[in-house]
Amino acid sequence: ETGVTQSPTHLIKTRGQQVTLRCSSQSGHNTVSWYQQALGQGPQFIFQYYREEENGRGNFPPRFSGLQFPNYSSELNVNALELDDSALYLCASSTSRTSGIYEQYFGPGTRLTVT
Amino acid sequence: EDKVVQSPLSLVVHEGDTVTLNCSYEVTNFRSLLWYKQEKKAPTFLFMLTSSGIEKKSGRLSSILDKKELFSILNITATQTGDSAVYLCAVVNTGNQFYFGTGTSLTVIP
Repeated sequence: ETGVTQSPTHLIKTRGQQVTLRCSSQSGHNTVSWYQQALGQGPQFIFQYYREEENGRGNFPPRFSGLQFPNYSSELNVNALELDDSALYLCASSTSRTSGIYEQYFGPGTRLTVT
Repeated sequence: EDKVVQSPLSLVVHEGDTVTLNCSYEVTNFRSLLWYKQEKKAPTFLFMLTSSGIEKKSGRLSSILDKKELFSILNITATQTGDSAVYLCAVVNTGNQFYFGTGTSLTVIP
């Protein structure tokens, strides 16, 4: 197992609500990336944070937002939840973006169900 | 539109067989290609490839990148039941955006 943790493990929300997912990165890692993985699909890149700043973003609407804290842990916030937001949300941590090392370590994921 | 396509979508083999998984990509400003193994939830890192023609090897697994033809292959020799998983290919561009394929589901039968 990696040192990346995510909470909660499972979550059920109602359409229109807001949700916050949390990720603690592996010790020594300063970069966190978030992904959405629908059933039977590959992970879709949401965004990446490096030293508390957004450092790359995929094709997700602005209601998907994030934060990275000084200890490099991170949050993913999703507003106005839609049924299609139901998925496994994965976070991954890695070392400095400038090193070219993208050996990302994934957390176990948060399963979000929107009803 | 940037995309990563993996084939086959699924594969069933017997223990001891050799398999080749394919990954082709169309991604602007390519930086690296990565392979992951996903068994339950969290994908685990296998290889990162940046330069064309240089084989990366780890035990029974090996991978190579062809930047001219825009593809990579992942080979697994002498397969074991523990190799059963979904194998994901991802491409990173210079803007730090990651593009994953849908994966190849490998089942190894004893």
